[in-house]
Amino acid sequence: DQQVKQNSPSLSVQEGRISILNCDYTNSMFDYFLWYKKYPAEGPTFLISISSIKDKNEDGRFTVFLNKSAKHLSLHIVPSQPGDSAVYFCAASWRVRGAGNQFYFGTGTSLTVIP
Amino acid sequence: KAGVTQTPRYLIKTRGQQVTLSCSPISGHRSVSWYQQTPGQGLQFLFEYFSETQRNKGNFPGRFSGRQFSNSRSEMNVSTLELGDSALYLCASSPFGQATAGELFFGEGSRLTVL
Repeated sequence: DQQVKQNSPSLSVQEGRISILNCDYTNSMFDYFLWYKKYPAEGPTFLISISSIKDKNEDGRFTVFLNKSAKHLSLHIVPSQPGDSAVYFCAASWRVRGAGNQFYFGTGTSLTVIP
Repeated sequence: KAGVTQTPRYLIKTRGQQVTLSCSPISGHRSVSWYQQTPGQGLQFLFEYFSETQRNKGNFPGRFSGRQFSNSRSEMNVSTLELGDSALYLCASSPFGQATAGELFFGEGSRLTVL
């Protein structure tokens, strides 16, 4: 059962424009959400996160929006640059008593920024 | 500060064999998790170890096992390899305990090919 879903396997955007990557989740117990970026032959690297008590978090060109009622989050990249071309994974976590944080990942969206 | 180190980076095995992968977490991190990444499936959670104890386990058959040593280094083992076990195996470490949500730090992965 996929608790975190990224329904767009790929996205192409012109350099300088906005990239919007979407993610949906089903488990209302998730209290922390993250985005990771992955280049080929490398491990995922942490990009930005947001706590469930917030609806927006911004870090430079990257902004994550959380809509808890819709169980939806999105990552905005403005302006998009060719170096942003990578696979982006959405992740969600919740704390289980005695078992730490459990993480669930989406299937990824491959972003291509066209120069 | 050294990152998460995984060895070997690449390996080829044949069906029926077994394989052991190693992971050294970031110094001071006590939690180590393992994920399997296959095309179209995203990152599938295998298991998590904290202070030498398996704290969480994903939905994988018993052929997949792991352990953690007193220095927090971890190994995972896959016995009786099947073609479908071909994947990128990612190790992630975290400094966060039960009370704090935070991100995972990933290694570059071990690419396993089963022939």
